[in-house]
Amino acid sequence: DGGITQSPKYLFRKEGQNVTLSCEQNLNHDAMYWYRQDPGQGLRLIYYSQIVNDFQKGDIAEGYSVSREKKESFPLTVTSAQKNPTAFYLCASSPTGLLGTDTQYFGPGTRLTVL
Amino acid sequence: AQSVTQPDIHITVSEGASLELRCNYSYGATPYLFWYVQSPGQGLQLLLKYFSGDTLVQGIKGFEAEFKRSQSSFNLRKPSVHWSDAAEYFCAVGAQLGNKLVFGAGTILRVKS
Repeated sequence: DGGITQSPKYLFRKEGQNVTLSCEQNLNHDAMYWYRQDPGQGLRLIYYSQIVNDFQKGDIAEGYSVSREKKESFPLTVTSAQKNPTAFYLCASSPTGLLGTDTQYFGPGTRLTVL
Repeated sequence: AQSVTQPDIHITVSEGASLELRCNYSYGATPYLFWYVQSPGQGLQLLLKYFSGDTLVQGIKGFEAEFKRSQSSFNLRKPSVHWSDAAEYFCAVGAQLGNKLVFGAGTILRVKS
């Protein structure tokens, strides 16, 4: 079955540590996205990538980094510079790089808690 | 730039009753509109989308939405709600020259028996 997988489902981190969230898709989609979700705030775009080896900052990129070395993979690193990293993180992909119109498909999410 | 508002944070309906979730958008040209549903602790699932054509769009799970340009709205409806519909619902708007989808803050639906 085609889809998007995110791992781990739950992640705990001590303050000052970097942590990497995994996102893999086997839908052969060109574009991939990372969102942060906080209660009552909807989804906020962290980073997106329209093509391999290229990515762009979204609305809240500070304290995060990404890479896109393979079409199917788009890992997100939450660095110690992120002031309030506790949140639910969602990865998505879409068939093309038409960011404003493409249908996005979401993974199951990773809940990150900073202790 | 486009924006979207979901005026209702929470809505409670009785099982079997009809449902309407409101979504208002702001965009000068024809928007691309989406409704997604999220069960607790899960990702988002696409319910339906509108790009052009018939303004009444049918989706999965018995949902439909109507695009009303004059009211800048894209409200989601279901004639008879089931307990399994309890979830959070997100409206999103995109644009042909835009660089992202903009999501509303969500509406939490509670279903009482």
